[in-house]
Amino acid sequence: GAVVSQHPSRVICKSGTSVKIECRSLDFQATTMFWYRQFPKQSLMLMATSNEGSKATYEQGVEKDKFLINHASLTLSTLTVTSAHPEDSSFYICSARQGVTEAFFGQGTRLTVV
Amino acid sequence: GQNIDQPTEMTATEGAIVQINCTYQTSGFNGLFWYQQHAGEAPTFLSYNVLDGLEEKGRFSSFLSRSKGYSYLLLKELQMKDSASYLCAVLDSNYQLIWGAGTKLIIKP
Repeated sequence: GAVVSQHPSRVICKSGTSVKIECRSLDFQATTMFWYRQFPKQSLMLMATSNEGSKATYEQGVEKDKFLINHASLTLSTLTVTSAHPEDSSFYICSARQGVTEAFFGQGTRLTVV
Repeated sequence: GQNIDQPTEMTATEGAIVQINCTYQTSGFNGLFWYQQHAGEAPTFLSYNVLDGLEEKGRFSSFLSRSKGYSYLLLKELQMKDSASYLCAVLDSNYQLIWGAGTKLIIKP
């Protein structure tokens, strides 16, 4: 099946700094990518839908100025957590859809803000 | 509103069979997915159903009844490595994935 690569898998940063997470579709072109966050023992929460060449669509309650999304090419979307705080510590996962029948997930990024 | 319900946790014995149910109420329906997620890892795709009936794939099978808004994932010959969370997700009329909270499956020897 298709492969989506997410990097880094783990990152620890200081409060107030910014962190960039990359999501790449390795063997297919993804016009749309999705960014999720997941708290322990909870399900995936969609943060935003990233469309190549246009602005991301953010879900209600997600601060677009804090979670910057850039989808510069058909194979790369980035999520930047700006001015990170401890409450931003979470598991962030990207996914890319190939057609409508299957979504492929990146490996996830465990962000810890200290 | 849109809602997907699945049990929070289930326990089963190695070698046995377990059925994980999922009921949904969504605005439109374009298919239902099952994903497996091990702790600390991203979900991996298990199955996709868009028509009524049973889809079998090795030890895993998935069933869908659109009229009842119901699906189940059947796992046979359970192995310890099947201990994971199983997520049910529905693609709504806008092709947005609506996720259930997941069912944590605990396998005992």
